[in-house]
Amino acid sequence: AQKVTQAQTEISVVEKEDVTLDCVYETRDTTYYLFWYKQPPSGELVFLIRRNSFDEQNEISGRYSWNFQKSTSSFNFTITASQVVDSAVYFCALSGGGGTALIFGKGTTLSVSS
Amino acid sequence: NAGVTQNPKFQVLKTGQSMTLQCAQDMNHNSMYWYRQDPGMGLRLIYYSASEGTTDKGEVPNGYNVSRLNKREFSLRLESAAPSQTSVYFCASRSRSRGDTGELFFGEGSRLTVL
Repeated sequence: AQKVTQAQTEISVVEKEDVTLDCVYETRDTTYYLFWYKQPPSGELVFLIRRNSFDEQNEISGRYSWNFQKSTSSFNFTITASQVVDSAVYFCALSGGGGTALIFGKGTTLSVSS
Repeated sequence: NAGVTQNPKFQVLKTGQSMTLQCAQDMNHNSMYWYRQDPGMGLRLIYYSASEGTTDKGEVPNGYNVSRLNKREFSLRLESAAPSQTSVYFCASRSRSRGDTGELFFGEGSRLTVL
């Protein structure tokens, strides 16, 4: 069975702090996909990144970076120099290689204060 | 540039009433999904349709039925609503081509309250 664990329920930081959101996954598939989504207070779900199981390269996009480590089954998300606009719920998700549905973690609520 | 459209956006029902949530996508995606979101529970899969003509149960299918009307449309029906079905419902679609699986595109969500 597939499972995604986001152990951090809530995180509070002050602007300009760096913050890392943890994601640990379980799967028996050799081909799988990992995702991060952002849900701001307005409620929509915004896609951030997709990573397949064969690509362990870390990725950086502006202030966002992702660290994928198959050895520890983790796909962590770091926001550098956080801003108030980063306040949101962040979801990590996993799907198998056969195009099966995404399984989501329970989310981490990030609050960034000024 | 509609993407995934859900209707209605808000609905209040009484226990035992029925209703259908409509979802349509204009991206020519094969796969469509219904999730529900409850506080502290993340997004849980209700039903999905990997392709036109097929539907499968997800994690929490009890109390729901679905219809994949055509490639564009995937509806979710509550036959006899219960207070436990008070939730925010999200429809999503996803492309699958050449063995690659893309990200989910979500609708704006439908907030359902069952009294």
